[in-house]
Amino acid sequence: AQSVTQLDSHVSVSEGTPVLLRCNYSSSYSPSLFWYVQHPNKGLQLLLKYTSAATLVKGINGFEAEFKKSETSFHLTKPSAHMSDAAEYFCVVSESQAGTALIFGKGTTLSVSS
Amino acid sequence: GAVVSQHPSRVICKSGTSVKIECRSLDFQATTMFWYRQFPKKSLMLMATSNEGSKATYEQGVEKDKFLINHASLTLSTLTVTSAHPEDSSFYICSASQTGYGYTFGSGTRLTVV
Repeated sequence: AQSVTQLDSHVSVSEGTPVLLRCNYSSSYSPSLFWYVQHPNKGLQLLLKYTSAATLVKGINGFEAEFKKSETSFHLTKPSAHMSDAAEYFCVVSESQAGTALIFGKGTTLSVSS
Repeated sequence: GAVVSQHPSRVICKSGTSVKIECRSLDFQATTMFWYRQFPKKSLMLMATSNEGSKATYEQGVEKDKFLINHASLTLSTLTVTSAHPEDSSFYICSASQTGYGYTFGSGTRLTVV
């Protein structure tokens, strides 16, 4: 069975500094991996996804993530945080088969201070 | 792009009554739909997976008689919370999947049982 572990429940950064949100995954098959963001009282927005193509995945709003099979990691990064990046971030895994559910990590709350 | 419409966005009901939440794929046929539940400041927990025309598969610990899921067509799935109680208050989110479209989430339904 697949699972994801988000290593930090809360990350605080200053505006303009880099962001690193860590995620490790476990999967029996070749996984698809995603990062979603959720702003307060809002739905989910897809930031980026990895589906066995390029290991460095670029997403929206300047975010990117690198798939490292040897480390079973899929960390999310951004070079320079913006106040609007403050939100809840979820690392998500799915087996690479149509019809299999997305399994969510517990989430990381990103706080950005001015 | 693929759009999933979820209604209602908010609902308040009295304890003991039933509430139906609809999830529609507007521009694609969703062979599989997923229902998630999110507690405040928590992650999304998969409740069940439904395939069009067949019975839903519920995750362990989810009461199938309380959370009735119907996926009667390729564009509509419904979740009915029967005999709702305050502990059923939560944020419910649907997701639709089809090969080539990936996963698309509805905007969620906030259920409050009073």
